Amino acid sequence: EVQLVESGGGLVQPGGSLRLSCAASGFTFSSYWMSWVRQAPGKGLEWVANIKQDGSEKYYVDSVKGRFTISRDNAKNSLYLQMNSLRAEDTAVYYCARDQGIAAPYGMDVWGQGTTVTVSS
Amino acid sequence: DIQMTQSPSSVSASVGDRVTITCRASQGISSWLAWYQQKPGKAPKLLIYAASSLQSGVPSRFSGSGSGTDFTLTISSLQPEDFATYYCQQANSFALFTFGPGTKVDIK
Repeated sequence: EVQLVESGGGLVQPGGSLRLSCAASGFTFSSYWMSWVRQAPGKGLEWVANIKQDGSEKYYVDSVKGRFTISRDNAKNSLYLQMNSLRAEDTAVYYCARDQGIAAPYGMDVWGQGTTVTVSS
Repeated sequence: DIQMTQSPSSVSASVGDRVTITCRASQGISSWLAWYQQKPGKAPKLLIYAASSLQSGVPSRFSGSGSGTDFTLTISSLQPEDFATYYCQQANSFALFTFGPGTKVDIK
């Protein structure tokens, strides 16, 4: 079964750090672009970052540039999001997702169940 | 940056109705557009990619059209399981994805 499972969410104080993980199974992880997408409580979806199959390209939404780092370990079939200098506005459910297009973006067809990050004092 | 708008923001409809949702990009994105369905507490589900291609396993009552800046998602005959929020997403390149604000379809 094709599956993504996120972990690492929790409660953190403003200015703190958190590392999210996403474990992939059931497909060749190293063949796909991967993304992090978040959803603040009661709000819409926001793409956060993505990473190319070999990790050579990484892109971020402006609001997290310089604070968040996306990475992957293809040997461990895992995706990561290191989040530093966290702010209240980073509070959200964070999803990892697979883009089904190998060489071009054709939509995110596999999603995890999400992990909740709460930034509050 | 490419901005995405959707209209309407919400629509009330009955089972069997035809529902049309519009998505507009602030600049041309060719056919690099996807549509997602999201139900409360669940992850989004990909419905349409490349503006008009139906994702495998998605019922044929869903269809997408458009190119450039204007796109449409149509549900030809609304079913009870279709009450949800729908998002468009531009994917002009891997370098920046943007979602629309969403359209909530609820029961009339």
